[in-house]
Amino acid sequence: GIQVEQSPPDLILQEGANSTLRCNFSDSVNNLQWFHQNPWGQLINLFYIPSGTKQNGRLSATTVATERYSLLYISSSQTTDSGVYFCAVGTSNYQLIWGAGTKLIIKP
Amino acid sequence: KAGVTQTPRYLIKTRGQQVTLSCSPISGHRSVSWYQQTPGQGLQFLFEYFSETQRNKGNFPGRFSGRQFSNSRSEMNVSTLELGDSALYLCASSYAPVMRGAVNEQFFGPGTRLTVL
Repeated sequence: GIQVEQSPPDLILQEGANSTLRCNFSDSVNNLQWFHQNPWGQLINLFYIPSGTKQNGRLSATTVATERYSLLYISSSQTTDSGVYFCAVGTSNYQLIWGAGTKLIIKP
Repeated sequence: KAGVTQTPRYLIKTRGQQVTLSCSPISGHRSVSWYQQTPGQGLQFLFEYFSETQRNKGNFPGRFSGRQFSNSRSEMNVSTLELGDSALYLCASSYAPVMRGAVNEQFFGPGTRLTVL
């Protein structure tokens, strides 16, 4: 089955710093989503991005489907950006396959 | 538009009991999926329903079952609970994809946190 790898597993930054999170996947996919999981467990949709580039405020994402990777950029980090970021890819049988996540800690 | 709702939010059960979790999708969404999240295994797919039919099931024992009603609401049931079933159970809804097998953008509920003692 499809493998999804996220890097780095942990990231500690000072407020105001920029960061890049990476998601590699092992096969072609029909869906790729980035999520932020808050401390209470809620998964918040960041981007639905099977290919191309999208931006939303301080966040942007790029997926290069032909090379099987996606990047999530966070600029000017704030403490509220802390949490776990997940990449999930859609397969051909109605399910999302998840990466292990990147735990981001933003220090004030 | 209201988001995905899940009830209850928290549950404490003992080994051997059974539990039923409920999920109401976003209005207009007919596909409902369930995922289990544990610290050791991460997020794993349980099953997906569309139009009251289970179209796919993940690699979980038969103690895990689910169903979907005609109004797209879904329930999942876990029988004979084990300590390892302690987890956050997440429900997601989406518009049904046009392409067979495809996954549209999924939106998640707040989850039900199940603790088995």
